[in-house]
Amino acid sequence: QVQLQESGPRLVKPSETLSLTCTVSGGSISTYYWSWIRQPPGKGPEWIGYIYYTGNTTNYNPSLKSRVTISLGTSRNRFSLKLTSVTAADTAVYYCAMYDSSGHSVFNYWGQGTLVTVSS
Amino acid sequence: DIQMTQSPSSVSASVGDRVTITCRASQGLSSWLAWYQQKPGKAPKVLIYIASSLQSGVPSRFSGSGSGTDYTLTINSLQPEDFATYYCQQANSFPLTFGGGTKVEIK
Repeated sequence: QVQLQESGPRLVKPSETLSLTCTVSGGSISTYYWSWIRQPPGKGPEWIGYIYYTGNTTNYNPSLKSRVTISLGTSRNRFSLKLTSVTAADTAVYYCAMYDSSGHSVFNYWGQGTLVTVSS
Repeated sequence: DIQMTQSPSSVSASVGDRVTITCRASQGLSSWLAWYQQKPGKAPKVLIYIASSLQSGVPSRFSGSGSGTDYTLTINSLQPEDFATYYCQQANSFPLTFGGGTKVEIK
């Protein structure tokens, strides 16, 4: 059973960079696409982007593309999110998730989520 | 981007009821649609993929249907554990997008 866990600062100041790491256990990161999704309080989820397990393919939501970087960690089974120049509108629960595009095209494993607040 | 519109935004129902939730896409999805259930403080959990295929481990009272731009999630014989918020998500094209959610509440 694949498990994912987000970690990183829960409070970020406006104009600074939000950085989160996702640690994958119970399975290898060496398959599928590894995604970040966020959900503002009381709203539906928003897909941020993904990275393929080889690290040579990324795909970002155009609404965030200029500010987002998703990368594989130096440690095995980790991947990261960086979102620059944050504002209060970036306050949300951030989830990492595994995207199965092989046929089901669903996010079938999710982390528990971490609430990141942007405030001075 | 493909816009996903869910209706209703909330529904009140009793245990044993049948509940139907609709998701309409701004363009055709060729059945690349999934449904998720989310409980408070938890991550979404996939119920249905490719419009009508039941995810492993999901009770058979959940079913999905639809084609083109219009899709439906049906919950037969609503159980206490089914009170939650439900989201549709399209996988036809990038960026992947979700609906705004339908909250199923206890009547």
